[in-house]
Amino acid sequence: NAGVTQTPKFQVLKTGQSMTLQCAQDMNHEYMSWYRQDPGMGLRLIHYSVGAGITDQGEVPNGYNVSRSTTEDFPLRLLSAAPSQTSVYFCATGGLAGFATGELFFGEGSRLTVL
Amino acid sequence: GEDVEQSLFLSVREGDSSVINCTYTDSSSTYLYWYKQEPGAGLQLLTYIFSNMDMKQDQRLTVLLNKKDKHLSLRIADTQTGDSAIYFCAEKPMDSSYKLIFGSGTRLLVRP
Repeated sequence: NAGVTQTPKFQVLKTGQSMTLQCAQDMNHEYMSWYRQDPGMGLRLIHYSVGAGITDQGEVPNGYNVSRSTTEDFPLRLLSAAPSQTSVYFCATGGLAGFATGELFFGEGSRLTVL
Repeated sequence: GEDVEQSLFLSVREGDSSVINCTYTDSSSTYLYWYKQEPGAGLQLLTYIFSNMDMKQDQRLTVLLNKKDKHLSLRIADTQTGDSAIYFCAEKPMDSSYKLIFGSGTRLLVRP
């Protein structure tokens, strides 16, 4: 059982480059989300989805795009990377029924550096 | 707006109790949570408390909620070296169905 798989684990980009962080889950979770973790700032929600074809913005959506064409996958796209997007990115998933009690499953994180 | 604050660092001796504190601003929060992050890993839910409760105990973990002061604490009894990690407090505001607001995390170091 793979759980939540994030790829790549590490990535270095130059300013202006684009890339996609992948998140895949095999638990049939309706809810999928992307957070970024920055020192001293905790986790901040970027985008989330409650099902295929449904996405919504979190606290810090600017500079990021998402789509949810399948239940399993929730890619995060950076169209033109900026140094301010240097961060550790976490994908978190869960069932809608368990969301209120905090039952989220996190991936291991993707560390992105933008030069 | 919504905000969750925690102290950055706590160091305790193995066997002692640890108390990690958190304050939040949104009085309408329905649920509050504690997550644990071990090095190189994602967060794991430790426990949660519903806003109409004052206390919740789960084995070595005790959560205290003071709604008047908007203060949440996590007590770990008999702290072990394996408890060394970053602990995040989080809240679920009433007006946000699928958003959690996280604090900045408290790094707990357990000394042998």
